[in-house]
Amino acid sequence: DAGITQSPRHKVTETGTPVTLRCHQTENHRYMYWYRQDPGHGLRLIHYSYGVKDTDKGEVSDGYSVSRSKTEDFLLTLESATSSQTSVYFCAIRDGGTEGNQPQHFGDGTRLSIL
Amino acid sequence: QKEVEQNSGPLSVPEGAIASLNCTYSDRGSQSFFWYRQYSGKSPELIMSIYSNGDKEDGRFTAQLNKASQYVSLLIRDSQPSDSATYLCAVKGAGGFKTIFGAGTRLFVKA
Repeated sequence: DAGITQSPRHKVTETGTPVTLRCHQTENHRYMYWYRQDPGHGLRLIHYSYGVKDTDKGEVSDGYSVSRSKTEDFLLTLESATSSQTSVYFCAIRDGGTEGNQPQHFGDGTRLSIL
Repeated sequence: QKEVEQNSGPLSVPEGAIASLNCTYSDRGSQSFFWYRQYSGKSPELIMSIYSNGDKEDGRFTAQLNKASQYVSLLIRDSQPSDSATYLCAVKGAGGFKTIFGAGTRLFVKA
C-alpha cells in the first residue's frame, strides 16, 4: 500500500470555524492532490501540488486553501467551514515518473461533517 | 471541459459471469488510462493501468483500450460477490498534472 496517511479520519465541526486536513506521504512523490467525493458528483479536484510551495487550483477550489512546505505534507484548509463542505475528502499522490503517466494512489479519506 | 463518462449502473451480474464496464472520454490527447475499484466507505484502489491500444490482462481483469473510438473498458471474468463495488475510470492527458475521473459504475454480483 502507498504510504499515505490522512488526519483526522473523522471530524465534526460547526459552520464558520476553520478546519485543516493533513495528508502525509512517505513515498517522496512529487505530486499531491486533494479531492472531495459526494454522491452524484464523483471525485472532484480541489487543489493540487506539483512540488514544494507549488500549488494550483482544481475545479472546486472556492473556500479552500492549501499549503505544501515540505515534500511529505500537503495541508487543506477550509477557511470558514460551511455546510456545503460536508463531504469525504481524499488525498492522492503520484510519482512523476519519466513520462508523467503514473497513476494516483489514494489515502483512506477524511469524513468531514459541518453542522 | 474534458470529460470521462460512465454508466452509473447499477450493473447486476450473477456470480461466475463476465462483468463488462465501459468508459468514454472526450480528450483525444489522452495517454494514460486507469481503472479503480472503490468499496463502500473506502478509498479508490488502483486495479489496472493501460497505455496502448488493445487488451491488457491481469488475473481475472482485462482492460481494453481503443483510442480511435475514445473508449476504454474493463472486463471481470468469473465475477465474485467480493467484486461488488463502484468502478472508476480515470484518464490522464499527455503532460499536465491532472487525471480526470468518471463518476463510476456500481457493480453488484449476485451469489
